[in-house]
Amino acid sequence: EAGVAQSPRYKIIEKRQSVAFWCNPISGHATLYWYQQILGQGPKLLIQFQNNGVVDDSQLPKDRFSAERLKGVDSTLKIQPAKLEDSAVYLCASSQRLYNSPLHFGNGTRLTVT
Amino acid sequence: GENVEQHPSTLSVQEGDSAVIKCTYSDSASNYFPWYKQELGKGPQLIIDIRSNVGEKKDQRIAVTLNKTAKHFSLHITETQPEDSAVYFCAASNAGGTSYGKLTFGQGTILTVHP
Repeated sequence: EAGVAQSPRYKIIEKRQSVAFWCNPISGHATLYWYQQILGQGPKLLIQFQNNGVVDDSQLPKDRFSAERLKGVDSTLKIQPAKLEDSAVYLCASSQRLYNSPLHFGNGTRLTVT
Repeated sequence: GENVEQHPSTLSVQEGDSAVIKCTYSDSASNYFPWYKQELGKGPQLIIDIRSNVGEKKDQRIAVTLNKTAKHFSLHITETQPEDSAVYFCAASNAGGTSYGKLTFGQGTILTVHP
């Protein structure tokens, strides 16, 4: 089966600019996650979708970050305006079900904010 | 919320030796504990997982043990090979609880296997 696809792989922007990341989960996976991984740390959950509804966005900085999952398949994560501390790898993951289902990660988008 | 501590942060072994990585968790309701391997430039890949109704699980050279009373779990890699070199993450979640299966990750262990 095809894995989780993410684009772009790399992005460099200046602070206060905006950026968007795209994710296509594994076919048939109902649950989609966006994680932020700062260099040297473990991934941290930003937002979790079940189909096209938000399950958990408690750690999403909503003043600058937004995400959507239209039609319950692809998802986009947007940052506007970006700050220096947003430099990180943004990982998308999907799983078949909300519970008791392993997460499959994409290779991520490395964002550098200068 | 859940907090996962992972040790050591770096681990260097000779090829053929064993490697052990340890994690502790804070939420006694956590019941699912996966381990992920992350290679440079790639996303984390699941290598083994264990649920709270099991004390130990093994898959070839990899094994995981869980001590629910002490709230800690460990990854054991035997007969290490250079291709085992990567960053390893433990994680914990309450699969089925109100946290909706949210995974909380440890800080990672950089494993280096010297030929």
